[in-house]
Order: sequence, then structure tokens, then C-alpha cells
Amino acid sequence: AQSVTQLGSHVSVSEGALVLLRCNYSSSVPPYLFWYVQYPNQGLQLLLKYTSAATLVKGINGFEAEFKKSETSFHLTKPSAHMSDAAEYFCAVSGQGAQKLVFGQGTRLTINP
Amino acid sequence: EPEVTQTPSHQVTQMGQEVILRCVPISNHLYFYWYRQILGQKVEFLVSFYNNEISEKSEIFDDQFSVERPDGSNFTLKIRSTKLEDSAMYFCASSKDQNYGYTFGSGTRLTVV
Repeated sequence: AQSVTQLGSHVSVSEGALVLLRCNYSSSVPPYLFWYVQYPNQGLQLLLKYTSAATLVKGINGFEAEFKKSETSFHLTKPSAHMSDAAEYFCAVSGQGAQKLVFGQGTRLTINP
Repeated sequence: EPEVTQTPSHQVTQMGQEVILRCVPISNHLYFYWYRQILGQKVEFLVSFYNNEISEKSEIFDDQFSVERPDGSNFTLKIRSTKLEDSAMYFCASSKDQNYGYTFGSGTRLTVV
């Protein structure tokens, strides 16, 4: 069984500040991990994914995430927030082999001018 | 960049009516999925489809739901007798292989009245 916990349903940062969105996972098999972003009234866009290669994963729009097996975490970071980063962010886990994604509850990121 | 296309973008239906949600996955993808997101909640897995059959389904995917790939390009989700609680955003996703990411469509917002 797999599950994802995203700490903080709402995160608010100032423009230019560090963005840190937390994700912890539970998986009985080696996990694949994903971050998706959802802008209002739009679909899910893949930001980045970890599929057992490099533990530090770089994605689109300046985001990156680090897989830490010992902490069962896959936190998403961006050094400097931009107003356009305001959206809902979902962490998800799957097993290997094109298995279903299990999503966290999501974190709504607000950027203050 | 190839996209997963979903139609319609928004559908309103009366309780008890049948609806068919349509998806055109990316042409060389082999794995297909439906997910749903009730307003304000997390994205939930419904069903996965591979090699013309269901490979996994969730407890949500009961007898009123069915999926089909009728012509080698479309992938449909049918809800036989809609209920108010079926109101949600329904996302189609596809994947090329077991080490690839999942590409999501923009979703169909289903409103049951």
C-alpha cells in the first residue's frame, strides 16, 4: 500500500523568497515520486519525477526536489518564488511499472507581492 | 509537445442519466488511466487500462462505471446512472512505459443536477 502526506494545506511566501513544499510518502515497494502543479481550472502538469536515478531531481520552472529514502521525503523547493508560481501542488507516489498514482491532499501556494 | 485531449471540457447532466467522457491519449502510449477530483479534495485513482483490459480499479469504480477503447485512439469512461456525488473533475492520463511519467488531460468537469 502507498500513501502521501503533504504537510501544510496552505503555504504563503513572499515574491523572491524560498519555496518549500513538504511531502512524505509511505510505500511497501521502491517508489516513483512525482510533483504536479494545477493552475485554477486547469489540468495537472508534471513538474518533476523521481524514478530511481539521481536523488536530486530538477524540473520545470526552476523547481527541484530531493528524494531522501531515510526520511521517506520528497520535498519540493524553488530558490526564488515568482507570482506565477501561485497554484495548487500535488505530490504523488506510484510503484514501478506504470502503476496507479496515489496523490497527497495538495498544497495551495500563495505568493505575496 | 503531445497532449492528452479530453472532451467535453464541461458537462452538465441530470441525475440518473448516462454520460460518456472521452479522451484521446498520446498516440504511442500504452497505459491509460482515469482519475477524479471532487471539488476541494485530492485526486483519486479510478481505473487503469492496458492491453485492452482493466489492469486495476479502485473501490470507487463500481458497476456503474465502465471504460472502453473502442477504436484504438479514444479511451472513454461511461457512468451509467449518474448520482449527485459523481460531480467532479475527471482526468484522463496516459503513459508510454513503466519508467515514463504520466501525461494528464485538462479534465472534464461533470456536474450532476
